[in-house]
Amino acid sequence: QQPVQSPQAVILREGEDAVINCSSSKALYSVHWYRQKHGEAPVFLMILLKGGEQKGHEKISASFNEKKQQSSLYLTASQLSYSGTYFCGTEALLSGGSNYKLTFGKGTLLTVNP
Amino acid sequence: DAGITQSPRYKITETGRQVTLMCHQTWSHSYMFWYRQDLGHGLRLIYYSAAADITDKGEVPDGYVVSRSKTENFPLTLESATRSQTSVYFCASNPGVGRYEQYFGPGTRLTVT
Repeated sequence: QQPVQSPQAVILREGEDAVINCSSSKALYSVHWYRQKHGEAPVFLMILLKGGEQKGHEKISASFNEKKQQSSLYLTASQLSYSGTYFCGTEALLSGGSNYKLTFGKGTLLTVNP
Repeated sequence: DAGITQSPRYKITETGRQVTLMCHQTWSHSYMFWYRQDLGHGLRLIYYSAAADITDKGEVPDGYVVSRSKTENFPLTLESATRSQTSVYFCASNPGVGRYEQYFGPGTRLTVT
């Protein structure tokens, strides 16, 4: 079952902040975040593991609430280059550890305007 | 340093024809994946492979066949193409052994008429 992302789309002005949420109905081992620009392949941003810390990447950071099976991606002081579709990918918690298999959400389209 | 490549990049075929999409990676990554991307659905896993000769179904495997005789290649075959298989197909790889990020190929845009 696909994780649910919200919002579906967001429009920002350069310098504004945004939060993208990802929620799963399954117990999770990890949450991944990817960004895809129009006409290109998705690119890995970061991963949050069960029991891990909040991660950061430049002005983009994320958190993982293991109890609620939710993750949030925080984009601060957005830049034009942040425009694209953001996907969360979730890995279910299995007894044997990671199988590297992800289920992706439908994506959040982020548009940053000057 | 080619990384991960897909061929062809664009393909138009007719309903009922067999089509094979190729994926090749130069990193010797253990894991490889095939996704399809459709508007409103995001990325959906078709098949994945943990190593040569080890493959397993994903969310939407019907109508597709995969093989992996060599670590570096992971072809995806549509046995009898249907219009519903019109999509953008992405191949991805992952090194495994505690490394979790997936590296995506450039994609193949397939149109079935």
